[in-house]
Amino acid sequence: QVQLQESGPGLVQPSQTLSLTCTVSGGSISSGSYFWSWIRRPAGRGLEWIGRIFISGDTNYNPSLRSRVTISVDTSKNQFSLKLNSVTAADTAIYYCARETVVAAGFDYWGQGTLVAVSS
Amino acid sequence: DIQMTQSPSSVSASVGDGVTITCRASQYISTWLAWYQQKPGKAPKLLIYEASTLQGGVPSRFRGSGSGTDFTLTISSLQPEDFASYFCQQAHTFPITFGQGTRLEI
Repeated sequence: QVQLQESGPGLVQPSQTLSLTCTVSGGSISSGSYFWSWIRRPAGRGLEWIGRIFISGDTNYNPSLRSRVTISVDTSKNQFSLKLNSVTAADTAIYYCARETVVAAGFDYWGQGTLVAVSS
Repeated sequence: DIQMTQSPSSVSASVGDGVTITCRASQYISTWLAWYQQKPGKAPKLLIYEASTLQGGVPSRFRGSGSGTDFTLTISSLQPEDFASYFCQQAHTFPITFGQGTRLEI
């Protein structure tokens, strides 16, 4: 059974960089059949797709966040990571990592989510 | 961005009832649509992908239909575990976008 687990600080100072890691277990992140995504839900709002990475290193980002986002993959640790810089209170949200199949729409496995608050 | 509009935003029903949730895309998305169920404090669960294909392990009382811009999720014979939030997602055009969600209440 594939499992994804987010980890990282729950509190980030304004203007600093939010860094999260997603650890994948029960399957290899090196499979060419999946994209690995980050998604967030700000309080009281709907889900927002942040971006994704393929095992080749190719990335796609939401244009609304592209200037501040970097997603990377570490195959040796079966992990992928999110960095979001210059954060503000508007970046406070539950952050999820998720797996998306290449050939079909849909995120079939998600992490439980981690709350990140941006506050001084 | 493609806007995904769900209706209703909330609906009340009883065990054994059927319910239909709609999702409308602001642009053509073919059948690149997925439906999810989410319970409080839990990760979203994929129910249906490609508009009408049931994800493995999902009960057959869940049915998705539609193409183009209009889609529906129908749940027949509601079970107690079905009371949750549901949302749609399009994967036709970047950025991937989600509906605001429908809360299904007892």
